[in-house]
Amino acid sequence: QVQLVESGGGLVKPGGSLRLSCAASGFTFRDYYMHWIRQAPGKGLEWLSYISRDSSIIYYADSVKGRFTVSRDNAKNSLYLQMNSLRADDTAVYYCARGEGLGYWGQGTLVTVSS
Amino acid sequence: QSVLTQPPSASGTPGQRVTISCSGSSSNIGVNYVYWYQQLPGTAPKLLIFRNNQRPSGVPDRFSGSKSGTSASLAIGGLRSEDEADYYCAAWDDSLSGYVFGTGTKVTVL
Repeated sequence: QVQLVESGGGLVKPGGSLRLSCAASGFTFRDYYMHWIRQAPGKGLEWLSYISRDSSIIYYADSVKGRFTVSRDNAKNSLYLQMNSLRADDTAVYYCARGEGLGYWGQGTLVTVSS
Repeated sequence: QSVLTQPPSASGTPGQRVTISCSGSSSNIGVNYVYWYQQLPGTAPKLLIFRNNQRPSGVPDRFSGSKSGTSASLAIGGLRSEDEADYYCAAWDDSLSGYVFGTGTKVTVL
């Protein structure tokens, strides 16, 4: 069955960096474009980034453009989100999701930005 | 950051029908598919409706979606206690080149 497992979250100081990973299994990872979405505590969902199947097309939300970088390794069935210059308002649960309509989601990984 | 507008809450008694609206614009709902997600407390969102009105396998037919112009709606028929959750709509926005989500609606079963 389709499985997406995020990892790499944790506590980081403002201005710091973190790299999230999303391990995919149960489907042919290279056949799907992927997304990152986040949810701040008690808040709604915010789409962050899209990466095409071959990484040739990438989009970001304005809120993270220039600070976050999405990438993927199809050989390792993995999606990544490099997060730099982190701010307190980046505190959230970060989810990866598959393909059109965000059809499958991982369980999420919590990122806390605090001094 | 939410571009799509939903009512903050909706409620009904078991067996009733509840409808949630989602209002967007000509750059998102007006020209792209609408998706609906159910988020049970403490869990990740789950796709409930795709391409305006299609249900993934395993989603009960009590859940239905529709779209007209720049608005969409989700209907839950025969409300059950396990339907208590947050519901979000989403659509791709051509102007933003990204998905936009609704503000979310908390459904309470009285």
